[in-house]
Amino acid sequence: KQEVTQIPAALSVPEGENLVLNCSFTDSAIYNLQWFRQDHGKGLTSLLLIQSSQREQTSGRLNASLDKSSGRSTLYIAASQPGDSATYLCAVVTSGTYKYIFGTGTRLKVLA
Amino acid sequence: DTGVSQDPRHKITKRGQNVTFRCDPISEHNRLYWYRQTLGQGPEFLTYFQNEAQLEKSRLLSDRFSAERPKGSFSTLEIQRTEQGDSAMYLCASSSRRGELTDTQYFGPGTRLTVL
Repeated sequence: KQEVTQIPAALSVPEGENLVLNCSFTDSAIYNLQWFRQDHGKGLTSLLLIQSSQREQTSGRLNASLDKSSGRSTLYIAASQPGDSATYLCAVVTSGTYKYIFGTGTRLKVLA
Repeated sequence: DTGVSQDPRHKITKRGQNVTFRCDPISEHNRLYWYRQTLGQGPEFLTYFQNEAQLEKSRLLSDRFSAERPKGSFSTLEIQRTEQGDSAMYLCASSSRRGELTDTQYFGPGTRLTVL
């Protein structure tokens, strides 16, 4: 059974810091992994999608890496801004299924 | 694209009543997902449609839950005989126009259900 864990659960950093969010999954036979952002009380916004054959994806100040063999992904946020404050969730699709399994998220607060 | 829309945005009901939620995906997206999210948790998968076919359904989904996507466009999620434990945010997502390889999911704003 696929399980997804995110560490840390919460993070508070001053503006301008570079930071790393971690996601681990128990079954390495995944189809893809996505990172999402969720603002309080709102729906989710997809940030980056990494196919199982890829090692990383980049979008602006965001970089996500994937190491399938170790069951890990990291989301790197460069030069954090107060507008980055949100909950960040990762989700995986295990090969042979269609369902996304989500972690419980990392709640990020960037202080001005 | 106008994005994924969900209706209603909020629903308050009494225990034992039936409720139905609607999701309109992004036009021409052939994949549609329903999730349930409670406070402090990540979304929990409920069911998946490809076009009008329901291809996967969570074992967490009891017989009181049913979902349809009759013409491969909008979808409805019905909960019968609601219980207080059904109180949650119900999220819909869609992805993948025909021929697209990417599976980037686009989420709607959700329907918040409160069962009294």
